[in-house]
Amino acid sequence: GAVVSQHPSRVICKSGTSVKIECRSLDFQATTMFWYRQFPKQSLMLMATSNEGSKATYEQGVEKDKFLINHASLTLSTLTVTSAHPEDSSFYICSADPGNRGYEQYFGPGTRLTVT
Amino acid sequence: GQNIDQPTEMTATEGAIVQINCTYQTSGFNGLFWYQQHAGEAPTFLSYNVLDGLEEKGRFSSFLSRSKGYSYLLLKELQMKDSASYLCAVSLNTGGFKTIFGAGTRLFVKA
Repeated sequence: GAVVSQHPSRVICKSGTSVKIECRSLDFQATTMFWYRQFPKQSLMLMATSNEGSKATYEQGVEKDKFLINHASLTLSTLTVTSAHPEDSSFYICSADPGNRGYEQYFGPGTRLTVT
Repeated sequence: GQNIDQPTEMTATEGAIVQINCTYQTSGFNGLFWYQQHAGEAPTFLSYNVLDGLEEKGRFSSFLSRSKGYSYLLLKELQMKDSASYLCAVSLNTGGFKTIFGAGTRLFVKA
């Protein structure tokens, strides 16, 4: 089956620093990837849609200058949390849609970010 | 706006049947997903319904009524390992495809 990886799986950083999270589709290409954030005991909140070769589409209320998304190739999207603060501590999950038809998406294992 | 509602928590007994309901009000409906998620892990795909009716897959079945904006996930022969969160999610086509999630239902299976 289709596999999506994320790196790192866990990261601890100091307040004010930036953190980059990678999302890779290992055995398929994806023109569209999605980034979600999940706080404890809450559901997944869609942050943005990452489009290969073009700008990401951010959901309402998500700061595009704080959460930088780059989808440089058909198998890689990156999310950079800039100037991280403790309130950015969360579980970040990416997913990839191989057919860009909305009925099939594969999730990465998630990245646990802790900002101290 | 887009809205998905499902119960916060449910408790059921091992071996029993449980039904988790989900209602939605969305525009650009492109199908409905159910996912299972254990704490600290990514969601696992359970089902996708785009047409009305019941789809059965082993111990799990999913039902959709598009006219009512309603779906349910039916779990039979409950096992302790079924204790998890169950996420109802809607695929939307609003000029591009995306999926939004309900708040999730935490299911506790007791012996």
